[in-house]
Formats: sequence, structure tokens, C-alpha cells
Amino acid sequence: QVNLRQSGPGLVKSSQTLSLTCAISGDSVSSTSAAWNWIRQSPSRGLEWLGRTYYRSKWHSDYAVDVKSRITINADTSQNQFSLQVNSVTPDDTAVYYCAREFGGVATGTFDPWGQGTLVTVSS
Amino acid sequence: QSALTQPPSASGSPGQSVTISCTGTSSDVGGWNYVAWYQQHPGKAPKVMIYEVSKRPSGVPDRFSGSKSGNTASLTVSGLQGEDEADYYCCSYGGSMNFVIFGGGTKLTVL
Repeated sequence: QVNLRQSGPGLVKSSQTLSLTCAISGDSVSSTSAAWNWIRQSPSRGLEWLGRTYYRSKWHSDYAVDVKSRITINADTSQNQFSLQVNSVTPDDTAVYYCAREFGGVATGTFDPWGQGTLVTVSS
Repeated sequence: QSALTQPPSASGSPGQSVTISCTGTSSDVGGWNYVAWYQQHPGKAPKVMIYEVSKRPSGVPDRFSGSKSGNTASLTVSGLQGEDEADYYCCSYGGSMNFVIFGGGTKLTVL
């Protein structure tokens, strides 16, 4: 059984960097049959896919256009986890952030399981 | 990438069937067999109920079924039960740059 456990601060100040980590158990971040994603949810934006990292002979990352200039998703094979960094945050980045495994290929939109979610509030 | 279009609400009585639609374009929903449906109860993470248009993960009741016609995908819940009351979201391959897009969500009420 695959489980994802998120960690990171729930409060970030405007203009600073949001950092979250997702620890994986029951699978490997280096798996060639999975991709590791970050998704956020807010009342104004609904569910919004942010990006992913995955290993297919080498590491790849894909990012949503709206946040591409501000985010980085990295894998840490020594800790079997992956992380999200969002730079220069504003109150508009306030949301519940989820990590999720994507299976069946890259960009299939099939996410299972999900992390428990982290409410991140950006203070002005 | 625009969000997929879902009705904001749907309802049905216990035992009835209800269908929720998800409309995209020929570049996303209509062009690929990568549509998934998620159920979300308040305060919980979404849970996949249908993937690749009509496949059901292990453990999901067969009351849940998915289909697609043209640019519109549909989720049907048959034999409605109280526990089915939740928000439902569709999700599709975005058609380019490995994007994924979600629908705006439908709140299903069991009357």
C-alpha cells in the first residue's frame, strides 16, 4: 500500500518561499511507472494542477504555465520523497496543497493516492 | 488551459441514478481516453472513482460508472446512497506539454 505524508509550514509571509515535502512509503520516487505531483485547492481556483517530477532514464519536471516561473519540484532519492517550492508568494497562493502519485503514465490525470493536504496561508 | 465545465450542482433521491457531465474540447477530453473522476468529502483529500474514462479502481462500488461522447465525459452514480453526497471533480489530460486540467466541481446532494 502506497502512502504519502506531507510536511511543511502552514503560514508563509508574502514575497517569501513556500516549501513542502511529501514522503513516500510503499513505492519509490525513482519508479519508472509513476509520476509525483503537486496539486492545490482554493475556493477561488478550485483544484489546480501545479506540476510533477518523474524518472524515465533521467529526471523530468513539468509545470503549469501559470506558476512555471515561480515553482520547483525536486526528488530526493536518499529520503524517498519529493518537494515543492513556490517563490515570491502572494495571498493568492493561499490554498490547501496536496501531493499525489500519478499512475498509468505521465499526464493521465489518474492520481492515487493523495497526501493528507496542507493548508498554507500567505499573510500580507 | 481552461478548466473543464461541470454543472455546479446535482441531486437525486436514495436509490435513484444521477449523471454528472464534464465538457472540454477536442484537445483534451475529446482527444484522449484520459478522463478521471474524483470524489471529495469535506475536509478530505479527493479519491479517484473512475480513471481512463470508464475504469473503476479496486474497492470502488460498481454503482459508479464513466463514459464519454465527443468532448463530454460523464459520471453516473446508480442506486444513490447517502454516503455518495460529496463534491465530484473531473480531470483530463490537457492535450499538450503534459498538462492536466480539472473541472470546477459538482456538489452532489442526496435528497
